[in-house]
Amino acid sequence: AQSVTQPDIHITVSEGASLELRCNYSYGATPYLFWYVQSPGQGLQLLLKYFSGDTLVQGIKGFEAEFKRSQSSFNLRKPSVHWSDAAEYFCAVESTSYDKVIFGPGTSLSVIP
Amino acid sequence: ETGVTQSPTHLIKTRGQQVTLRCSSQSGHNTVSWYQQALGQGPQFIFQYYREEENGRGNFPPRFSGLQFPNYSSELNVNALELDDSALYLCASSSSTGNTGELFFGEGSRLTVL
Repeated sequence: AQSVTQPDIHITVSEGASLELRCNYSYGATPYLFWYVQSPGQGLQLLLKYFSGDTLVQGIKGFEAEFKRSQSSFNLRKPSVHWSDAAEYFCAVESTSYDKVIFGPGTSLSVIP
Repeated sequence: ETGVTQSPTHLIKTRGQQVTLRCSSQSGHNTVSWYQQALGQGPQFIFQYYREEENGRGNFPPRFSGLQFPNYSSELNVNALELDDSALYLCASSSSTGNTGELFFGEGSRLTVL
């Protein structure tokens, strides 16, 4: 069965510092991968997605992610974090069993001014 | 373009009661998925509806049921509420059964079961 792990439950970075959030997936074929962000009290918003092609994908708000098949990873990065980036981040993979999206447990990001 | 709207935003029920949560999908979307998000966890897939038919179900008991209407809006019904049903319930719409695209989420309905 497909699954997603996010090893870091919580990360704290200083404003202006770089960020990398880790994501590993278990999947039998080429996956469709996503990163979503959830701000407090709000629903989830798509940051970026990978379907095929270039393994480095660009998203909204200055985020990017790199798909590495050999490591079964899809890590999210941002070169310079802003205070408004503080939120919960979810990595997700699309299941082939019936088109459902499976989410990881999330990484909570805090930003120090 | 109207986004996904959910109602109610918050509600409190007691064990054994029944609850109905409602979702209006984004304009042009014919697929609705429901997720349960317990505190501090990622969303868990409950089920998906496409053209008024259930199109897949996660690991949830039959007391979780749903409907989709001709206008693609949807309801989630939970019978015989248990304390563990306390969670944020998220509705997401998309444009086809193939979720090879973006899920558009509402802000959720927060259910507290006492």
